[in-house]
Amino acid sequence: GQQLNQSPQSMFIQEGEDVSMNCTSSSIFNTWLWYKQDPGEGPVLLIALYKAGELTSNGRLTAQFGITRKDSFLNISASIPSDVGIYFCAGRRTSGSRLTFGEGTQLTVNP
Amino acid sequence: EADIYQTPRYLVIGTGKKITLECSQTMGHDKMYWYQQDPGMELHLIHYSYGVNSTEKGDLSSESTVSRIRTEHFPLTLESARPSHTSQYLCASSDLYGGNTEAFFGQGTRLTVV
Repeated sequence: GQQLNQSPQSMFIQEGEDVSMNCTSSSIFNTWLWYKQDPGEGPVLLIALYKAGELTSNGRLTAQFGITRKDSFLNISASIPSDVGIYFCAGRRTSGSRLTFGEGTQLTVNP
Repeated sequence: EADIYQTPRYLVIGTGKKITLECSQTMGHDKMYWYQQDPGMELHLIHYSYGVNSTEKGDLSSESTVSRIRTEHFPLTLESARPSHTSQYLCASSDLYGGNTEAFFGQGTRLTVV
């Protein structure tokens, strides 16, 4: 089925650094979602994007819906140890269609 | 906070046993999903439902079955568990229509078949 290419696959950073990750697709999406998953837990929704070009923040997190509607970006500023986890992007092509998930970005923050 | 619940959280069971993983949501969502996920890996959709009496197989072939008799309940059943079924199973739900169609996840069931 349709896949999203998420990168990087993993990141090892120092506390206080900024983080960027992205998802790309060969198809147009009308919804982009970003989730964070802690070990042993289910993914938790961080940010939802519905319009091309939309830029939305949630605390230290900022996500953007790409103008081409084929990509999305997530930035984390001033990382802290509790940011550790796996970040997943997900996209929906139409309102009634299923979500497609990226492969995830494993983030490690060293104190 | 999402109102979607999975039980049990952890299950260790012997080969050949029949098991049912429970998932319930109180948000009135029409769409519900089951994903299978190995530790640290991507999510694979194994079943989904668009409403009562509607069930479909997902992208990843699975020996499990599901039922949707009530809107709020979407249990997943393995008739005969095998070690290859060891994984984390995540349930999610979303609205069928509407402008905002986020999917919300339960906490997951970590299944170990010995």
